[in-house]
Amino acid sequence: DARVTQTPRDKVTEMGQEVTMRCQPILGHNTVFWYRQTMMQGLELLAYFRNRAPLDDSGMPKDRFSAEMPDATLATLKIQPSEPRDSAVYFCASAPTGGPTYNEQFFGPGTRLTVL
Amino acid sequence: DAKTTQPTSMDCAEGRAANLPCNHSTISGNEYVYWYRQIHSQGPQYIIHGLKNNETNEMASLIITEDRKSSTLILPHATLRDTAVYYCIVPKNTGTASKLTFGTGTRLQVTL
Repeated sequence: DARVTQTPRDKVTEMGQEVTMRCQPILGHNTVFWYRQTMMQGLELLAYFRNRAPLDDSGMPKDRFSAEMPDATLATLKIQPSEPRDSAVYFCASAPTGGPTYNEQFFGPGTRLTVL
Repeated sequence: DAKTTQPTSMDCAEGRAANLPCNHSTISGNEYVYWYRQIHSQGPQYIIHGLKNNETNEMASLIITEDRKSSTLILPHATLRDTAVYYCIVPKNTGTASKLTFGTGTRLQVTL
């Protein structure tokens, strides 16, 4: 049963610290998305990649957030320095590029980030 | 993405059909309607999608009106595990996977 995995599942850190979240997309999926969910803003897209190249990162605060795909099996989202307002659940999702269900995105379980 | 409008919340008795409506009056001719749900503390889960014909899978049925300006997701026999927030999304049709804009969705509460 193919799944998107995310690590860590929970992270508590102090303001100013660097945070790295990791995602392993489903094998063969070459589009990877990062979403963030908060009570106030709901679920919002931060960035997404196709074939490891960034396609859209307009939802991401550029000064402190960075997203990369070092290889096809790993996507990372880094926050440096972290701030309390970054506290949220961060979801990674992957999807095949084409085919009849190309907007069927598979979501991971999320990383719950708390910045004190 | 085309704008969608859904009721904020709905209740349904266990074992009964849950009918969740969605308005998408600005949908373009080649845009699909997608439904996702999010169970508490989990990531969103794809349910079903359609263009203009009614669709059915093991999870649900999707009924799209002839003018395509609205649709209804039907869970034929709702269970307590169907309690979730249901999102109706009409993404831009680019022919490839693209970003999804999640609104506020409908919070479905299934009760005994």
